[in-house]
Amino acid sequence: QSVLTQPPSVSEAPGQRVTISCAGSSSNIGASFDVHWYQQLPGTPPKLLIYGNNNRPSGVPDRFSGSKSGSSASLAITGLQAEDEADYYCQSYDSSLSFSKVFGTGTKVTVL
Amino acid sequence: DVQLVQSGAEVKKPGESLKISCKGSGYKFSKYWIAWVRQMPGKGLEWMGSIYPGDSETIYSPPFQGQVTLSADKSINIAYLQYNSLTASDTAIYYCARSMLQEIVSPLDHWGQGTLVTVSS
Repeated sequence: QSVLTQPPSVSEAPGQRVTISCAGSSSNIGASFDVHWYQQLPGTPPKLLIYGNNNRPSGVPDRFSGSKSGSSASLAITGLQAEDEADYYCQSYDSSLSFSKVFGTGTKVTVL
Repeated sequence: DVQLVQSGAEVKKPGESLKISCKGSGYKFSKYWIAWVRQMPGKGLEWMGSIYPGDSETIYSPPFQGQVTLSADKSINIAYLQYNSLTASDTAIYYCARSMLQEIVSPLDHWGQGTLVTVSS
């Protein structure tokens, strides 16, 4: 049972902007732990998309951006493209679970 | 290039044991934590635990503590995930992934291709 809550799905037309929320609590995101984001295309392993709240690994387009405020975080995708259709997961750590890594519930992004 | 290559798909019966592997290359295997992540059919990602191959220190997610065993052989750059007695609910894809930094609190920047485990009588 994940302690980070994401919307099950979001959808938008190509070229538009979508945001995905990741709601946590005072024992994880609110405890100043970093948030990371992963993209999982169908049938493939997850890929690190954003790390340390708002940093992009080399090769990740700047259409992807992350932010964090209080006990929540968000991933924004601007200029939505067909290849962005995937599942997205946030990840942080939880002090009430022996500093375990915790993943969000996941969000399916559909490009209309 | 950093690579993690996992062992192939497995089909097991309930009660059987399982050991899957994850071989790292392209970096100093002993210096970076390896995490194991479960993905049940049609479901999300679950962190199972992590191991530091340098000294085999392990940290388990509470739901998986006592259910699985993580191990590593740094001499051959391989990490293992072991189940002693499988049940149908262990059917899933299992991923290994490397921590980006040489510390446990770190994102996972390289992932194996996944190992599909099917448990069925």
